Amino acid sequence: GAVVSQHPSWVICKSGTSVKIECRSLDFQATTMFWYRQFPKQSLMLMATSNEGSKATYEQGVEKDKFLINHASLTLSTLTVTSAHPEDSSFYICSAREAGRNYGYTFGSGTRLTVV
Amino acid sequence: AQSVTQPDIHITVSEGASLELRCNYSYGATPYLFWYVQSPGQGLQLLLKYFSGDTLVQGIKGFEAEFKRSQSSFNLRKPSVHWSDAAEYFCAAAGGSSASKIIFGSGTRLSIRP
Repeated sequence: GAVVSQHPSWVICKSGTSVKIECRSLDFQATTMFWYRQFPKQSLMLMATSNEGSKATYEQGVEKDKFLINHASLTLSTLTVTSAHPEDSSFYICSAREAGRNYGYTFGSGTRLTVV
Repeated sequence: AQSVTQPDIHITVSEGASLELRCNYSYGATPYLFWYVQSPGQGLQLLLKYFSGDTLVQGIKGFEAEFKRSQSSFNLRKPSVHWSDAAEYFCAAAGGSSASKIIFGSGTRLSIRP
C-alpha cells in the first residue's frame, strides 16, 4: 500500500533557529500534500495545501512566511518552521494524495517539534 | 461552513462492552467520511471510510460505521471493546473537488475500564 515517510520523528531546537520536516511518498506520486498541526490533546488543524510545482495555499491564520512549504517534486514535500519559538512546539503531520486515487489520503507518522 | 462535530470529548467503557462514538457533519453535499485512530504520540491509522454505496461500512479491528444521511451522522461502533482500543478517535470528512482537504473533528478520547 501507499506509504509516506516523514522525518524526523522528533526534533528539539533552540528558539530562533529553523527546522525542516520532510515527507516522502515512497511508492506513489503525491500530487497534493497537506500539512497539519496538532497541539496536545487537540485535533489536527490544516495548515496548508500544496500541489506539486505550485505555491502552497495556506489556511486562515497560518503565517506563510513562518511556515515555508516546498513541493518541488512528486515524491517530496518539506515544511520549514523558520525562527521557531516555544509556541511553535507541536506535532506536525503530513498527508499525501495521488491524483486518480479516489480520496486515498496517506498520512505520515508525524514529527514532534519542541522549541526550547 | 464545512465542519465535523464529535460531541463526546471523553468516553469510558468497560472491557467487553459495546461502543458507539458519535460524529456529525455539515457539508453542502454528502462528503466522503473517515474514522481514524491515534495512540499517544503516534500518527493516524485509518479505521474505515465511506464514499458511497452500502451505508454500513466495515473497517479494521472489528470496527464498523453507519452513514445516515437524514441525520448527517457517521457513528463508529464496536460490539466488544478490548483494552488495546484505548486511544483518541477522530472522525473526518472531505468533499467537493478532487483535491479536497480532510477536515477533522475534535476527537473523542476512549478509555477502557478493566
